[in-house]
Amino acid sequence: EVQLVESGGGLIQPGGSLRLSCAASGLSVSGYLMGWVRQAPGKGLEWVSVIYSGGNTYYADSVKGRFTISRDNFENTLYLQMNSLRVEDTAFYYCASESRSFPLVFDYWGLGTLVTVSS
Amino acid sequence: VLTQSPATLSVSPGERATLSCRASQNINSNLAWYQHKPGQAPRLLIHGASTRANGVPLRFTGSGSGTEFSLTISRLQSEDFAVYYCLHYNDWPPSTFGQGTRLDIK
Repeated sequence: EVQLVESGGGLIQPGGSLRLSCAASGLSVSGYLMGWVRQAPGKGLEWVSVIYSGGNTYYADSVKGRFTISRDNFENTLYLQMNSLRVEDTAFYYCASESRSFPLVFDYWGLGTLVTVSS
Repeated sequence: VLTQSPATLSVSPGERATLSCRASQNINSNLAWYQHKPGQAPRLLIHGASTRANGVPLRFTGSGSGTEFSLTISRLQSEDFAVYYCLHYNDWPPSTFGQGTRLDIK
């Protein structure tokens, strides 16, 4: 069974930094397309960043230059380093993974971790 | 860009709900539907526009291709009231979600 467990969220002041983690079990973080999706209060789901099995990365325009996605194959963990945080980055952040059977279909999701950016 | 309609749909338990998702360009059948409840992980319902994910009840049916898609939930049950999102995965990246349809109990 695949499990994704996020951690690292919390309350942070504008301009600060946080690193989110997503510990994976049941699949290898290096073998699949994985990413982060967020949901701001009262808003819908929004892609933040993804990393391909080959290592290529993608970022939403709203976070480009501030956020960095990475993974640790040994720890089997996905990360999202968030710098220069803004109030509008406040959201639940979900870790998601591509299906093991259907390419590009995100089938596995964590419960999310809440990031609150406020002074 | 994916446009979902309606934004909110109020339906009585036992009735049928039809949710729509329109793409601004041809995305073939590269569309998925997700169900999202507060405090829970988004749940994949449909991929490939019409293929049910593992464990998804038969009352959930996806259809469409190209630019017009729909999700039909027949015989609504209490656990079906949630927010539903469509997501395309054609020409990754980027991929985009629709803005969501909230399915409320009438």
